[in-house]
Amino acid sequence: NAGVTQTPKFQVLKTGQSMTLQCAQDMNHEYMSWYRQDPGMGLRLIHYSVGAGITDQGEVPNGYNVSRSTTEDFPLRLLSAAPSQTSVYFCASGGVVRSPLHFGNGTRLTVT
Amino acid sequence: AQSVTQPDIHITVSEGASLELRCNYSYGATPYLFWYVQSPGQGLQLLLKYFSGDTLVQGIKGFEAEFKRSQSSFNLRKPSVHWSDAAEYFCAVVGDTNAGKSTFGDGTTLTVKP
Repeated sequence: NAGVTQTPKFQVLKTGQSMTLQCAQDMNHEYMSWYRQDPGMGLRLIHYSVGAGITDQGEVPNGYNVSRSTTEDFPLRLLSAAPSQTSVYFCASGGVVRSPLHFGNGTRLTVT
Repeated sequence: AQSVTQPDIHITVSEGASLELRCNYSYGATPYLFWYVQSPGQGLQLLLKYFSGDTLVQGIKGFEAEFKRSQSSFNLRKPSVHWSDAAEYFCAVVGDTNAGKSTFGDGTTLTVKP
């Protein structure tokens, strides 16, 4: 059982470049979310989705876009990368609202 | 708004000693509370959860946590720590009126001395 799969594991971008972080889950979960993790700051919610076609902003959405065309996939797009977006990004899914989250193994992004 | 505070950034305990990690939450109604553990280079894994009922909940790997509404706390405990418990621990709260968004504390890093 794969659970939540994130690709790539590592990425280096130059300032201004764009890219998409992929996230897929095979548990038929309705709820999916993206967090960024920075030292000493815990996990901060970027965007989330409660079902296909429905997305909303979290705590730190600026500079990121999401879409949810299928239940399984929830890609995160960086429109124009900035050094402040250097972080570790985690995708997570949950079966129903308020259920525990299942996390991917993260994508470590460096923007130079 | 919901929030979580983990007062201890870093804790060091000797192997075999007991452990308590503190978590204080802020939420107006009945919260759903979670503890997660993160090993280096990995995602977060659920240790235990509290939804309602018995205020002492048991989790995986011998961990337990006690919900105290009067103190707005949900502290994590383990009677005897193993070297493999060294990791970062996160407390999280989910409200019932915000589409299920989880709010995490800043985490506590646990070091285990031999």
